[in-house]
Amino acid sequence: EPEVTQTPSHQVTQMGQEVILRCVPISNHLYFYWYRQILGQKVEFLVSFYNNEISEKSEIFDDQFSVERPDGSNFTLKIRSTKLEDSAMYFCASTRAGATYNEQFFGPGTRLTVL
Amino acid sequence: GQQVMQIPQYQHVQEGEDFTTYCNSSTTLSNIQWYKQRPGGHPVFLIQLVKSGEVKKQKRLTFQFGEAKKNSSLHITATQTTDVGTYFCAGGRGTYKYIFGTGTRLKVLA
Repeated sequence: EPEVTQTPSHQVTQMGQEVILRCVPISNHLYFYWYRQILGQKVEFLVSFYNNEISEKSEIFDDQFSVERPDGSNFTLKIRSTKLEDSAMYFCASTRAGATYNEQFFGPGTRLTVL
Repeated sequence: GQQVMQIPQYQHVQEGEDFTTYCNSSTTLSNIQWYKQRPGGHPVFLIQLVKSGEVKKQKRLTFQFGEAKKNSSLHITATQTTDVGTYFCAGGRGTYKYIFGTGTRLKVLA
């Protein structure tokens, strides 16, 4: 069964450093999302991406964040200058095209620890 | 901004008891999705409701979408230990944005 994959599974970085989190969505999916989840808390929407542009973003997704689909398979989230409060699990999700309101398939997540 | 609240925050039940979690949005939703997240895992899609007043069943799980499309519920009949996890609703604002609820963490005691 196809699945969303994410790398790395765990990233440790120093405050102020740039990080890039990588996701490979399911191959025939066209809608992509990033969410974050601080330990023990709810899943927070960051951004959605369709047709090579951002469709929606939340207030969390400020100019320190960017997303990119650099090739036909990867979908990346970049945090330019990490802060302590960016420590969280980051989930990528994708949905297929061709119908409205489809289920989101989530990847296993990347745990980001900012020291 | 839009908020989606769930109650209760935690629920401990004896195996075999029923369980219900309620989801309330501050704004009207286009659709609602329900997810289950096991400890240490990622959210896994359970179901989607689109129509006002819609009711859907999946074995022991019953999902409802309110008439005003601002609230929803998930009811589990005769819980099992495999039902353990956190249940999240996710309110849809079109195709591109989903606001997750605060979640209900279910613990089932054998």
